[in-house]
Amino acid sequence: KAGVTQTPRYLIKTRGQQVTLSCSPISGHRSVSWYQQTPGQGLQFLFEYFSETQRNKGNFPGRFSGRQFSNSRSEMNVSTLELGDSALYLCASMGDPPSETQYFGPGTRLLVL
Amino acid sequence: AQSVTQLGSHVSVSEGALVLLRCNYSSSVPPYLFWYVQYPNQGLQLLLKYTTGATLVKGINGFEAEFKKSETSFHLTKPSAHMSDAAEYFCAVRRTGNQFYFGTGTSLTVIP
Repeated sequence: KAGVTQTPRYLIKTRGQQVTLSCSPISGHRSVSWYQQTPGQGLQFLFEYFSETQRNKGNFPGRFSGRQFSNSRSEMNVSTLELGDSALYLCASMGDPPSETQYFGPGTRLLVL
Repeated sequence: AQSVTQLGSHVSVSEGALVLLRCNYSSSVPPYLFWYVQYPNQGLQLLLKYTTGATLVKGINGFEAEFKKSETSFHLTKPSAHMSDAAEYFCAVRRTGNQFYFGTGTSLTVIP
């Protein structure tokens, strides 16, 4: 099986712009979670989608949003970018129970100038 | 409340020496526990996991971890460090509702 894929791998944006990141989960996985990773804060949970519905949400402002499509692919959008949004954004997918493991993609490195 | 605590943000060992990375969790119910490894500019790769059953769990690349309920610990060990083990290691716990909580990570340096 192919692993979790994320596009693009690298992005450079300027403050105030918006950005959309994409994640394709492992085939058959319906749960997709997004994380923000920064040196100072570590891995922080953004949200989880399951069958096109947001099932869990972390403590991030409304500028961060996501969605999931019927084929389980997910997108994450950040509007009005701030310098502090520079981070590695990781996507992880998980199969249905009894699966209990998240599998991560390589991440998208976002730099906001 | 912190769900997972990794003691030591940086650990250095000599090549061939024992690797010990510490992880303690806070939970009132038996959790699912995981160790992931992250190499530079890559995502997280699963090393091993504990769900139920045997408390000593073996993973990839010679790593293993022991679930100790009485100590609420899930420390990661490897008998002999290799240069290729240099990476960032994350302990994680999965709670009900599919929520995963990650520790702050331990950066492992292997000295030749």
